[in-house]
Formats: sequence, C-alpha cells, structure tokens
Amino acid sequence: AQSVTQLDSQVPVFEEAPVELRCNYSSSVSVYLFWYVQYPNQGLQLLLKYLSGSTLVKGINGFEAEFNKSQTSFHLRKPSVHISDTAEYFCAVSRTQGGSEKLVFGKGTKLTVNP
Amino acid sequence: GAVVSQHPSWVICKSGTSVKIECRSLDFQATTMFWYRQFPKQSLMLMATSNEGSKATYEQGVEKDKFLINHASLTLSTLTVTSAHPEDSSFYICDPGQETQYFGPGTRLLVL
Repeated sequence: AQSVTQLDSQVPVFEEAPVELRCNYSSSVSVYLFWYVQYPNQGLQLLLKYLSGSTLVKGINGFEAEFNKSQTSFHLRKPSVHISDTAEYFCAVSRTQGGSEKLVFGKGTKLTVNP
Repeated sequence: GAVVSQHPSWVICKSGTSVKIECRSLDFQATTMFWYRQFPKQSLMLMATSNEGSKATYEQGVEKDKFLINHASLTLSTLTVTSAHPEDSSFYICDPGQETQYFGPGTRLLVL
C-alpha cells in the first residue's frame, strides 16, 4: 500500500518570497507522483506530475518539484510566490502499473501568501 | 488533455432524499472511474471504483447500498447517494484514472 505525508498543514509566506511544500511518500512498488492545487470552493487542478525520466519536473504557474527516490520525497517549490497562489496543495501517488490506478492523497498543505 | 464533466456542480437536498451525480468523459473512453469524497477541510479519500459493465468495488467503510454506482457506458459513470443525511454533505469528485490524472470539477452536496 502507498501512503503520503505532507509535513506542513499550513505554510504562511510573504509575497515574492520562495516557498517549499514538503511531501514524502511510502510505497513498496514504483509510483507516479503528483501535485494538485485546489482553490477555495473549486475542484482539483493538476500542477505537475512525475512519471519517469528527469527528476526535476516543471509544472504550471511557475511551480516545480524534484523527485528524490532515496529520500522518498517529492517537494514542491516556487522561487517567488504571488497572492494568487494562496490555495490548498495536495501531493498524491499512484502505482505505476498499466491502466487506471487510484490516487492516494496527502492531507494537504494550505499555502497563504500575505502582502 | 482529457476532459471530464460532472453534473450537477452544486446540489442542496433534504435529508432522506436521493441525489444522483453524473460523471462524463467527453473525449475519451473510460473503462474505470474512481469516485473520491472530500469532507470540509480534509483531504480526498477514495470511496469506490466503478468499472464499465461490472460491479463497483468499494473501499472499507463505504456502504455500497447507500452509494450506488453505475458505469453503464464508457463515457458515463453515476454515483447515487441514497437516503442522504447531513453527514453525507461533502465534495464528490470523479477521476477516470488515466495516467494524466484529470479530475472532474466536482459536485458539492449539502444535505439539510
């Protein structure tokens, strides 16, 4: 079974500051890794995903994440945040088996960007 | 990318009534559909997996007689919350589970 731990439930930062949202996972099999963003009262939007290849993954809105297999981590980073980045961020994993696979989510990190 | 729609986006109902949520894959065929639930200020949890032409599989703790899932075609899966109660108030999201992992926009259910 897979599990995901998002180490910070809330992260407050000032506008234009860098941010890192931490995610660690546990799995006995190979996994795909995902980050999603959820704005208030909205659905999930895929930020980025790691399936294979380069361990540094670039996503939308200036976000990037690095897959570290030895540390079983997939931390999300942005060098300079905007007020509009205020949202809930979810890290998720799925098995890499072919076909459709369910996602296992972390509990989420609420990012608040202050002026 | 894959497009998934859900209907309705919002629903308010009285306790004891049933609510049907539709999830459609608009530009691809989905043999599988995952249904997730998100309670306020919590993460998403898988409720059940629907498979076209066969019975759905439910996660532990999810009542299959209360949450009826039908996946009659490759483009439509439905979740019916029967005899809804206030504790069923939640955000319900479908996901065809494709590698790109595109979710439906979600259905917010409020049971009074």
